[in-house]
Amino acid sequence: ETGVTQSPTHLIKTRGQQVTLRCSSQSGHNTVSWYQQALGQGPQFIFQYYREEENGRGNFPPRFSGLQFPNYSSELNVNALELDDSALYLCASSIQTSYNEQFFGPGTRLTVL
Amino acid sequence: SQQGEEDPQALSIQEGENATMNCSYKTSINNLQWYRQNSGRGLVHLILIRSNEREKHSGRLRVTLDTSKKSSSLLITASRAADTASYFCATVLPSSYKLIFGSGTRLLVRP
Repeated sequence: ETGVTQSPTHLIKTRGQQVTLRCSSQSGHNTVSWYQQALGQGPQFIFQYYREEENGRGNFPPRFSGLQFPNYSSELNVNALELDDSALYLCASSIQTSYNEQFFGPGTRLTVL
Repeated sequence: SQQGEEDPQALSIQEGENATMNCSYKTSINNLQWYRQNSGRGLVHLILIRSNEREKHSGRLRVTLDTSKKSSSLLITASRAADTASYFCATVLPSSYKLIFGSGTRLLVRP
């Protein structure tokens, strides 16, 4: 298993609510990326944070936002939840100075009712 | 749209047989990576092949890369029931650190 942890494991919300997901990076990694994986699909890149700054963003609306903290842990916030936001949310940590592998956490399963 | 597409979408084989999965992509890449995912859990990195490499091995895994055809293949030899999982290829574009995933191949290895 990787050293990346995510919380919570599962979450149920209703439409219009807000949610915060958390991720702790593997030791020594300064970059966190977030991905959304709908059922039966491959993960889709949401955004990446490097040294507390957003370092790239995928095709997601502004209601998806994030933070990275000085200890390189990260949060993903989603406002005004929609039914289509139901998915597995994965975070991955890496060393940004190389094009190497990313280490994924176990994910948070979000269900929006 | 997805950068990578895996083929086949699903594969069922007998334990001991070899499994081959293919991945095609659309634009130039820095590297291509293969990941494995067990039933909706986190992804596990299997192997990375750079754009100037043609073949890599890791245990029972063999990956090839053909940049002229923009395609890669993952071969799992002597498959085991524990290899049952979804397998994804992911590309990294030049000047980008994000992974662009395909839609995956669901592998079932029957005991």
